[in-house]
Amino acid sequence: QSALTQPPSASGSLGQSVTISCTGTSSDIGGFNYVSWYQQHPDKAPKLMISEVSQRPSGVPDRFSGSKSGNMAFLTVSGLQAEDEGDYYCSSYAGSNNLIFGGGTKLTVL
Amino acid sequence: EVQLLESGGGLVQPGGSLTLSCAASGFTFSSYAMSWVRQAPGKGLEWVSVISGSGGSSYYADSGKGRFTISRDNSKNALYLQMNTLRVEDTAVYYCARAPPRGARMVAVGFDNWGQGTLVTVSA
Repeated sequence: QSALTQPPSASGSLGQSVTISCTGTSSDIGGFNYVSWYQQHPDKAPKLMISEVSQRPSGVPDRFSGSKSGNMAFLTVSGLQAEDEGDYYCSSYAGSNNLIFGGGTKLTVL
Repeated sequence: EVQLLESGGGLVQPGGSLTLSCAASGFTFSSYAMSWVRQAPGKGLEWVSVISGSGGSSYYADSGKGRFTISRDNSKNALYLQMNTLRVEDTAVYYCARAPPRGARMVAVGFDNWGQGTLVTVSA
């Protein structure tokens, strides 16, 4: 199964908002409400930021929000802060206990 | 505090074998499915395998089917990944990750805790 499609890069100024997209198919994103988003800083393990499309785990700032429309999912980061800079990955359940990730988006805070 | 600590990585020749381990603490290990996720140098994340809390069910990405075997020992709070017939393209940091329960869909809601990873290098 092919990886989900994410833009390689995104950027926004301090305090502004940025939205990262994640495109799949009806067999993954479109077929299930099981999209997750991860943040990864250099040489660190990924951190779960959003699960089940829009659920924020405990401790994740409410500046992070998720949504889905059809075969696309979105991560929005509002009120950008310097520490938000890093790589972001989406993932989606694809049925039969199969999970696929996106290629990742490098977020730069200007 | 949930802790996951991988070990067992290293340099192995193509065609060789390696077994990774993940020591878990800070939670009821048998209540959670556990997964392996890998990341090739400079590349994105790739899901590898998942095993149920009891160890009775396991699933694999196509890249590892027939070559990788995931297992667990709940008495030791330990997760394993046996990797055979290794290829250069298996070179990656391998992370163990905890999957919150969601019934039979073990990887549906993603992974809420990750280890620090262990590097596997396959090279002649």
